Amino acid sequence: QSALTQSASVSGSPGQSITIPCTGTSSDVGYFNHVSWYQQHPGKAPKLMIFDVSDRPSGVSNRFSGSKSGNTASLTIAGLQAEDEAYYYCSSFISSNTLVFGGGTKLTVL
Amino acid sequence: EVQLVESGGGLVQPGGSLRLSCGASGFTVSSNYMSWVRQAPGKGLEWVSAIYSGGDTYYADSVKGRFTVSRDNSKNTLYLQMNILRAEDTAVYYCARDLVGWGWFDAWGQGTLVTVSS
Repeated sequence: QSALTQSASVSGSPGQSITIPCTGTSSDVGYFNHVSWYQQHPGKAPKLMIFDVSDRPSGVSNRFSGSKSGNTASLTIAGLQAEDEAYYYCSSFISSNTLVFGGGTKLTVL
Repeated sequence: EVQLVESGGGLVQPGGSLRLSCGASGFTVSSNYMSWVRQAPGKGLEWVSAIYSGGDTYYADSVKGRFTVSRDNSKNTLYLQMNILRAEDTAVYYCARDLVGWGWFDAWGQGTLVTVSS
C-alpha cells in the first residue's frame, strides 16, 4: 500500500490553468478507473472534487476536470480563482478492497 | 442533511487503547460503505479502514491486527477501536461515507484528534 506520488506544490496566476499529476503503478492507478480527487483547505475536512477519474459530483465547478494516462492520473483546474488555493489529494482503489492516497499537492494562487 | 460527527479522541499513552465514534444523521450507516481516514499533523491523508454495507471489514497494513471497525445499527453510529497505539498513530481521524465502496467519499466528519504520547 505505497502512497501515490504527487508533486509537493504547484502555483498559478488567477485565470490560468494548472494540472496536478498523480502517479501510481499498474496495480492501482493503471489498473482501476477508480481515481478520486479531494480538495482540502487548512483546518477543514476534505471535499470530493472528482471521482472515477473524470466524473464531477453535483455542485463542483466544471473548471475542475480529471483524466488518466497509463499509471498517471491528473487534475486540471481551469480559470484559477483565489478560493482554489488549497491542498489537493488523489486516491485510488486498489486490490483487497483497500484504498491509497497521494501525498498531496499544495496549490498556491499567485 | 447528511452529517457525520466524530468523538472520542484525546491523549493516550503508547500501548494504550481508544475508541472513536462517528454519529451519522441524514442517512443510514448500515446501508452504506463507511471508512476511517486519518491525517497526521502537517501530513497527507491515509486511508485506515472500511466497513461495507454487508458487514465485511478492511484495513490498511499499518493498523491491521490493532484496529477494529464496527457499527451499531440501532445508534446509526460507526466505531473505530484502536489498540496497542503507537506514536505514529497520532493524527486527526475522519469518518467518511463512501458512496459505492470505490473511494467516493462524499461526506466527511469534522475529525477528532488522537495524540499518542507519554
